Amino acid sequence: KNEVEQSPQNLTAQEGEFITINCSYSVGISALHWLQQHPGGGIVSLFMLSSGKKKHGRLIATINIQEKHSSLHITASHPRDSAVYICAVMSGSQGNLIFGKGTKLSVKP
Amino acid sequence: DAGITQSPRHKVTETGTPVTLRCHQTENHRYMYWYRQDPGHGLRLIHYSYGVKDTDKGEVSDGYSVSRSKTEDFLLTLESATSSQTSVYFCAISELSGRAGYEQFFGPGTRLTVL
Repeated sequence: KNEVEQSPQNLTAQEGEFITINCSYSVGISALHWLQQHPGGGIVSLFMLSSGKKKHGRLIATINIQEKHSSLHITASHPRDSAVYICAVMSGSQGNLIFGKGTKLSVKP
Repeated sequence: DAGITQSPRHKVTETGTPVTLRCHQTENHRYMYWYRQDPGHGLRLIHYSYGVKDTDKGEVSDGYSVSRSKTEDFLLTLESATSSQTSVYFCAISELSGRAGYEQFFGPGTRLTVL
């Protein structure tokens, strides 16, 4: 079993829809990251959080430490949000990241 | 922008040849990482460094070596490339980010094809 599981693996939405991507993990963590990768592109850090909720524009990330679960929400989705979203947790004494396999989001106009 | 560059950005090589990928950073970060990204596996840690001449193995280090003789450069070497090492390679640095700890920032990636 992977230590970081994301769902769904693939997601297709219509422009304007509210989107939720989920991440569950099975290890103790010091922080959780949400990353974005556009097709053929680099990896951009969206959020790093260790508790509660963070918001940046139309993106909201939440984490529940007790339930070992995080969600990434996108409000009023747009085709430019089409990308792979990756959840990663920071665990262990060295603080290395353990990555989920990503959620591929496609937003249709 | 964490000032990370990778070179080359694309490389095609033949099985058995040595290959070196370079990661360069301009902001004096102590921690640097090399990852590979493959379909169905996500990102996996190859090696990391916590200072000049201080390196350690990650999850998929077999067939790879690293060196860090200067703070700004972290080199990844494939001593004898194999087709299973065809992948996209990302370098990353980590930077202290508030109370949550260290946040990682990624370079643009190097696409390596081993024929």
